[in-house]
Amino acid sequence: NAGVTQTPKFRILKIGQSMTLQCTQDMNHNYMYWYRQDPGMGLKLIYYSVGAGITDKGEVPNGYNVSRSTTEDFPLRLELAAPSQTSVYFCASKTGSYEQYFGPGTRLTVT
Amino acid sequence: AQKVTQAQTEISVVEKEDVTLDCVYETRDTTYYLFWYKQPPSGELVFLIRRNSFDEQNEISGRYSWNFQKSTSSFNFTITASQVVDSAVYFCALSSPVSGTYKYIFGTGTRLKVLA
Repeated sequence: NAGVTQTPKFRILKIGQSMTLQCTQDMNHNYMYWYRQDPGMGLKLIYYSVGAGITDKGEVPNGYNVSRSTTEDFPLRLELAAPSQTSVYFCASKTGSYEQYFGPGTRLTVT
Repeated sequence: AQKVTQAQTEISVVEKEDVTLDCVYETRDTTYYLFWYKQPPSGELVFLIRRNSFDEQNEISGRYSWNFQKSTSSFNFTITASQVVDSAVYFCALSSPVSGTYKYIFGTGTRLKVLA
């Protein structure tokens, strides 16, 4: 049982490039979430999903896209990377009212 | 609207001191859940505790204890006899089943520094 896994751990992008952050969970959780954490700050919700095929925007969705074709996977797509997207990205999953399980994070730098 | 306030941005204590981290929440929902997470310098988010709105019992786990008071909308976290390994950022979060999303509302976090 690996929990929530994220790849890559680190990435440096040039302005205008695109990339996909991968997130996979093996706990059969319906709910999945993407957050970003800027240096010294709290977590902000980017997108979330309540089940396969269903996604919705969080508080900071601009510049990102997601898909949820399976229960296990919830990739986050960055199009046309900008320096403002430099952050640490966390994926999380949960079931019902219980706690969210977080992945180890992806540290992204856009230069 | 829901909100979580952690008014203490940073706290420094000397090892073995007791320290309390404050968390005040706002919600109109009658059913909700409160959480505490620890984020050590290594960066991962570690779940500490979950409490539902119908359970006001205080919780103790080793050196950690939590005081949930609905009357003051607070869910405070106390570390007894603090240790250097307790140095981390601590986040309080609120979640409710309204709209079926169980989204977290996070506080801004409290950075705890425990000095040897």
